Amino acid sequence: EVQVVESGGGSVQPGGSLRLSCAASGFTLSLYWMHWVRQAPGEGLVWVSRIKSDGRSIAYADSVKGRFTISRDSANNTLYLQMNSLRAEDTAVYHCARDSLSGLDVWGQGTTVTVSS
Amino acid sequence: QSVLIQPPSASGTPGQRVTVSCSGSNSNIGSHTVNWYQQLTGTAPKLLFSSNNQRPSGVPDRFSGSKSGTSASLAISGLQSDDEADYYCAAWDDSLDAYVFGTGTKVTVL
Repeated sequence: EVQVVESGGGSVQPGGSLRLSCAASGFTLSLYWMHWVRQAPGEGLVWVSRIKSDGRSIAYADSVKGRFTISRDSANNTLYLQMNSLRAEDTAVYHCARDSLSGLDVWGQGTTVTVSS
Repeated sequence: QSVLIQPPSASGTPGQRVTVSCSGSNSNIGSHTVNWYQQLTGTAPKLLFSSNNQRPSGVPDRFSGSKSGTSASLAISGLQSDDEADYYCAAWDDSLDAYVFGTGTKVTVL
């Protein structure tokens, strides 16, 4: 079965760091573009970051540029999101998603990040 | 603040046809494929349709989409109670170098 499962969320104080993981199964993660998308409580979907299949073409939303880093481990078929200098406004459910080039076709259930003092 | 604008809500009775609009610009909808997602309460989003006429397997053909210039729309025909959800359009934006989602539309089945 093709699926992705996120982990690594939790509660952290402002200024802290977290690393999210997205374990893929049923497909080879490195052959696809992969994205992180977040959703704050009661709010809409917001794109965070993308890594292309070449592993080098990376893009970030302006709101996280310079603080978040997307990466992948091909050996472990896992996508990561390193989040530093966290702010209260980063509080959200974070989803990873596979890009089929006709849309984000595989989504995980998400992992919850809460930034609060 | 999203650059893709959708109406906050839409509604219809069972069996009716409901459309959801998505307004953008030349840097996003005008230049790229528009994707539509359905999010049922408490679940992850699900890809419904792409403006290049791609519909993932398992998605009923009651869901269809169209694009014209800098606008796109999603149509749901034969509305069912299971269709009650939030719907989002999305597209790549060349100016922002980002994938942008619409503001979202809550569809209610009356």
